[in-house]
Amino acid sequence: GAVVSQHPSRVICKSGTSVKIECRSLDFQATTMFWYRQFPKQSLMLMATSNEGSKATYEQGVEKDKFLINHASLTLSTLTVTSAHPEDSSFYICSASSRGSGTDTQYFGPGTRLTVL
Amino acid sequence: AQTVTQSQPEMSVQEAETVTLSCTYDTSENNYYLFWYKQPPSRQMILVIRQEAYKQQNATENRFSVNFQKAAKSFSLKISDSQLGDTAMYFCASETNSGGGADGLTFGKGTHLIIQP
Repeated sequence: GAVVSQHPSRVICKSGTSVKIECRSLDFQATTMFWYRQFPKQSLMLMATSNEGSKATYEQGVEKDKFLINHASLTLSTLTVTSAHPEDSSFYICSASSRGSGTDTQYFGPGTRLTVL
Repeated sequence: AQTVTQSQPEMSVQEAETVTLSCTYDTSENNYYLFWYKQPPSRQMILVIRQEAYKQQNATENRFSVNFQKAAKSFSLKISDSQLGDTAMYFCASETNSGGGADGLTFGKGTHLIIQP
């Protein structure tokens, strides 16, 4: 159980375009979803916390107008990178957590590699 | 604010040996969780083991166990009878529980563990 999917797995786009990444919890309802970014050979950095039906909470230094997060249902959260630039190229990973499961363990998606040309 | 420190960038051991990965953390919260995640070359984050801070008993999952020293804020991972498939990046992480739900994870920089045949 506790499977999280992400789509697409990798995307290449031109500078200035917007890219949407989907995160789905397949076999449980995720009350909270998280978005992380991982640069090459570095650790994961939390970008934002997304609760179903409410606005996302962004970490310091993360531009909320650039990284739009929507958590429309208990199984789906989306991250849209607007007006992407080469410095946004990174590995984006989502995770999902369910209070109902009795734990606060986060289950991770397989990640999305974004390359901005 | 939470911090997680992993002081071993890379470790290498022979197959079947026992290896211990170090992790220290700092938090002002009383209610928190600690985790070890494994990230193989596929970059999928896999939960290895978790520990609730209020539990004195060290968590164990098959060949994986932790040494949780709350007063010293230390949370090391021991891997017994290491296998080639254990080769991966290992991240130590902490999470507070604000009471309203899960909080984002704070990760250490990771330890690259190499199991030699």
